[in-house]
Amino acid sequence: NAGVMQNPRHLVRRRGQEARLRCSPMKGHSHVYWYRQLPEEGLKFMVYLQKENIIDESGMPKERFSAEFPKEGPSILRIQQVVRGDSAAYFCASSTLTTGDGANVLTFGAGSRLTVL
Amino acid sequence: AQSVAQPEDQVNVAEGNPLTVKCTYSVSGNPYLFWYVQYPNRGLQFLLKYITGDNLVKGSYGFEAEFNKSQTSFHLKKPSALVSDSALYFCAVRDSGGYQKVTFGIGTKLQVIP
Repeated sequence: NAGVMQNPRHLVRRRGQEARLRCSPMKGHSHVYWYRQLPEEGLKFMVYLQKENIIDESGMPKERFSAEFPKEGPSILRIQQVVRGDSAAYFCASSTLTTGDGANVLTFGAGSRLTVL
Repeated sequence: AQSVAQPEDQVNVAEGNPLTVKCTYSVSGNPYLFWYVQYPNRGLQFLLKYITGDNLVKGSYGFEAEFNKSQTSFHLKKPSALVSDSALYFCAVRDSGGYQKVTFGIGTKLQVIP
């Protein structure tokens, strides 16, 4: 089991370009979470998805940011027209059981570090 | 809304001494509580969780945490710190009801001094 795979690990974009971050959850996991990490802000929730559904996107900016988790393929976090303030580490996590003893133990990927020039 | 507070940005402790990393939480219902650790340039790794049952839970690498409902706290502890324990520690909470969102604290940097 390869764990949660994120790519690219490092991404450099110029202001105004688009950034696409991909996340393949652990095999059998149908819940995906995206978090953003900034040094002074800790780990901020962005969005929670299940296959083909966005369950909670309350942490995601209303403009320029979108996420999907299609029936086939990885989850994608898309940032359009990037600005310098988007520079951060973006972490994806996946989980399976959501109730009982296995409730919501998240398995994290290694992160994608976005730098906007 | 659920939230987590980690009041200390950094905790310094001498190797061999006991350590405590503090966490308090707020949820509307019963909490599911978690601790994760992050090493530099890595993702977070699960340490331990409280779902129900005994208030003292044991996890990986000799860590344990005590759930205190009256104080809404879930402090992380270890009897004897190792230099290799130096890392960033995150407390997290989820409401045990149907809502699945997991909220993390800001993180506490643990520095174990040789």
